[in-house]
Amino acid sequence: QSALTQPPSASGSPGQSVTISCTGTSSDVGGYNYVSWYQHHPGKAPKLLIYEVTKRPSGVPDRFSGSKSDNTASLTVSGLQAEDEANYYCSSFAGDKEIFGGGTKLTVL
Amino acid sequence: QVQLQESGPGLVKPSETLSLTCAVSGLSISGPYYWGWIRMPPGKEMEWIGSMIHTGTTYYNPSLKSRVSISMDTSKNQFSLKMSSVTAADTAVYYCSRRPGYFFDYWGQGTLVTVSS
Repeated sequence: QSALTQPPSASGSPGQSVTISCTGTSSDVGGYNYVSWYQHHPGKAPKLLIYEVTKRPSGVPDRFSGSKSDNTASLTVSGLQAEDEANYYCSSFAGDKEIFGGGTKLTVL
Repeated sequence: QVQLQESGPGLVKPSETLSLTCAVSGLSISGPYYWGWIRMPPGKEMEWIGSMIHTGTTYYNPSLKSRVSISMDTSKNQFSLKMSSVTAADTAVYYCSRRPGYFFDYWGQGTLVTVSS
């Protein structure tokens, strides 16, 4: 399986909502409810935002939400804040391994 | 507070073996979770390398399986990665992480390994 497809960039103004897509196939995103999302500020440890498509770990604000339709998963960031500016990566179980998207750089205008 | 810290040589020669260690604090690696490695080559997507649980069960990315080995030292609360016969394509930032399910909840900050003569 090849990498998952994410848009290279996304942007929004403070307070707005932004949705980042993650497209795979029926062998990964579409075949399992095991999509996760990570926020990464360069030079720091990536942070888990969403797991199993929609679940949020404790401590992650409810401004972050996940969903899935067929072979595409989505991460929505509501009420954008300056600190949300980062790289976002999706991941999915793909039968015999985990695979990742190429990442989306979110800019808060 | 859970912390993972990668360590190892930042420069490895082609055809040699890359060796990295991940020291874990704030959590025992002897628990019922998998621990493992992920890498991100420059300009490319992240790639899962493999995971291991303290019972000895390991899972490796099929594309890397022939060159990769993960081991654990529960007495030191750390685990290690060895990747043999490296090439320039193995140049990447290497992250250690915990895998409690089909996701990764704790990560290290990453360490850059460059393969070059």
